[in-house]
Amino acid sequence: AQSVTQLDSHVSVSEGTPVLLRCNYSSSYSPSLFWYVQHPNKGLQLLLKYTSAATLVKGINGFEAEFKKSETSFHLTKPSAHMSDAAEYFCVVSDWGNKLVFGAGTILRVKS
Amino acid sequence: EAGVAQSPRYKIIEKRQSVAFWCNPISGHATLYWYQQILGQGPKLLIQFQNNGVVDDSQLPKDRFSAERLKGVDSTLKIQPAKLEDSAVYLCASSLDARANTGELFFGEGSRLTVL
Repeated sequence: AQSVTQLDSHVSVSEGTPVLLRCNYSSSYSPSLFWYVQHPNKGLQLLLKYTSAATLVKGINGFEAEFKKSETSFHLTKPSAHMSDAAEYFCVVSDWGNKLVFGAGTILRVKS
Repeated sequence: EAGVAQSPRYKIIEKRQSVAFWCNPISGHATLYWYQQILGQGPKLLIQFQNNGVVDDSQLPKDRFSAERLKGVDSTLKIQPAKLEDSAVYLCASSLDARANTGELFFGEGSRLTVL
């Protein structure tokens, strides 16, 4: 069975400093991995996805994630946080048919 | 392009009452999903439709939850009778075709249910 573990329920950074949101996955297959973002009172939105092409994936708003098979990790990073990045971020794994399994989420707080 | 529409946005009911949620997906999207998001947890798939057929309802509590997607467009999710543990946000999502496995789902803003 597939699963994802988001290692931090809350992350707090200062504006202009790097962001790191950690995710480990478990999958019996060669997985597809995604990060979704949920801003307050907004619908979930796809941030980026990995589907067995390049291991470093670039997404919207300057975010990127690196797939590391040896570590079963798919951490999300951004070089410089902006106030508008404050949201909840979900790491997601899927094997086929768009059957997505979500992590518990990481709430990112950005301090001015 | 219009997004996924859901209603009502908020609903408060007492246990053992019934409630229905409505979803209108993005035009042309063949696949429709209902997710349950309990506070502090990630969304969990309840049911997935491909056009008007059910693809996966393995996690739907069928003794109290039902869902339909008539004519392969709009969908309704019903809970009857509701329990306290059903308090959650119910998310509707759609995608072009799940068989492409792009992982890109478009979500509505959700319907927040509180059961007292």
